Amino acid sequence: GAVVSQHPSWVICKSGTSVKIECRSLDFQATTMFWYRQFPKQSLMLMATSNEGSKATYEQGVEKDKFLINHASLTLSTLTVTSAHPEDSSFYICSASGAAETQYFGPGTRLLVL
Amino acid sequence: SQKIEQNSEALNIQEGKTATLTCNYTNYSPAYLQWYRQDPGRGPVFLLLIRENEKEKRKERLKVTFDTTLKQSLFHITASQPADSATYLCALDNNAGNMLTFGGGTRLMVKP
Repeated sequence: GAVVSQHPSWVICKSGTSVKIECRSLDFQATTMFWYRQFPKQSLMLMATSNEGSKATYEQGVEKDKFLINHASLTLSTLTVTSAHPEDSSFYICSASGAAETQYFGPGTRLLVL
Repeated sequence: SQKIEQNSEALNIQEGKTATLTCNYTNYSPAYLQWYRQDPGRGPVFLLLIRENEKEKRKERLKVTFDTTLKQSLFHITASQPADSATYLCALDNNAGNMLTFGGGTRLMVKP
């Protein structure tokens, strides 16, 4: 149990385009979903927290207009990187949390912006 | 501000030995602490959760201790195997819902 999927697993796009990443909890209802970013050889940095049906809470320094998060249902959250630039290239990982404290992570999405 | 420290240097041990990883924190009183394993290019995988009122927790070859006086958690892997080679992350709750703050991780290399 507690499986979280992400799609796509990797994406290459041109600078200026927008990219949408989906995060799904497959076998449980996720009241809260989290989006992280991880640069090479660094730890996970929380970008935002989202609860189903409400606006996401962004961490300091994360532009909410650039990283659009939607959590429309208890099993799906999306992160859209708008007008992506090369500095947005990173490994994006989502996690989902249900009633317990544990976060279950997706496999990650590697984004490369050319 | 809260700070979580894990040894950034890789830990190299021989197969069969016990690996011990350390997680220290300051300016913090977490209600619980979690350990995750992360393989290259993959998302973290949950291993163990230990609460502030628990001193020790075990799961198969894994053992975690939590000393709230020292503000430290130790993560042990007994009878280590090459397949245990990965980066291990500790994460603490920040007393605000289910949010976690992660340490930088320690890379473990188990040599056959």
